[in-house]
Amino acid sequence: SQKIEQNSEALNIQEGKTATLTCNYTNYSPAYLQWYRQDPGRGPVFLLLIRENEKEKRKERLKVTFDTTLKQSLFHITASQPADSATYLCARATGNQFYFGTGTSLTVIP
Amino acid sequence: NAGVTQTPKFRVLKTGQSMTLLCAQDMNHEYMYWYRQDPGMGLRLIHYSVGEGTTAKGEVPDGYNVSRLKKQNFLLGLESAAPSQTSVYFCASSYLLGGQIYGYTFGSGTRLTVV
Repeated sequence: SQKIEQNSEALNIQEGKTATLTCNYTNYSPAYLQWYRQDPGRGPVFLLLIRENEKEKRKERLKVTFDTTLKQSLFHITASQPADSATYLCARATGNQFYFGTGTSLTVIP
Repeated sequence: NAGVTQTPKFRVLKTGQSMTLLCAQDMNHEYMYWYRQDPGMGLRLIHYSVGEGTTAKGEVPDGYNVSRLKKQNFLLGLESAAPSQTSVYFCASSYLLGGQIYGYTFGSGTRLTVV
């Protein structure tokens, strides 16, 4: 199966600190991984895509890494703000489909 | 630019009733998907389509049917609703970029309760 796991169900962090979320996958490395943000009662919103041959990708305060040796992707939010509080999902690509993790709920405490 | 629009937003069905969920996108995307999201289970793919007139089964297709008669619309049908189909349903669309499927655009979801 194309399993993908997000280690923490919930993460609390102080405002201004860097939040780090983890996504692990099994079996073969996907060609690329994606990260999404989901707010309560809303659909997920696409944030970043990182390809297998890319070690790191950045977008403003967001950074994603892809380690094919560890079979892991890390998602960082630097200088976190209360507005960053949400559930973050990772997804692996397999053919025409994406398999999603169950998400990590991030709370940034003022 | 509406993006992906799902109707209805909420629905309560009795066991055995049927219904159709409508998804419409105005971005000319080739790929469309139906997911369900349940607590602790994450998003699970029900059916998807890679173009007008095509459909394929996802991870949890049983009890659902789909149709994509027009490129912009993707319909999800429940023929005989069961309480196990109580869930939040999300439609998504996407396109190819550099030979890979780019990030999904999701609708706002349909909350379905089967009693």
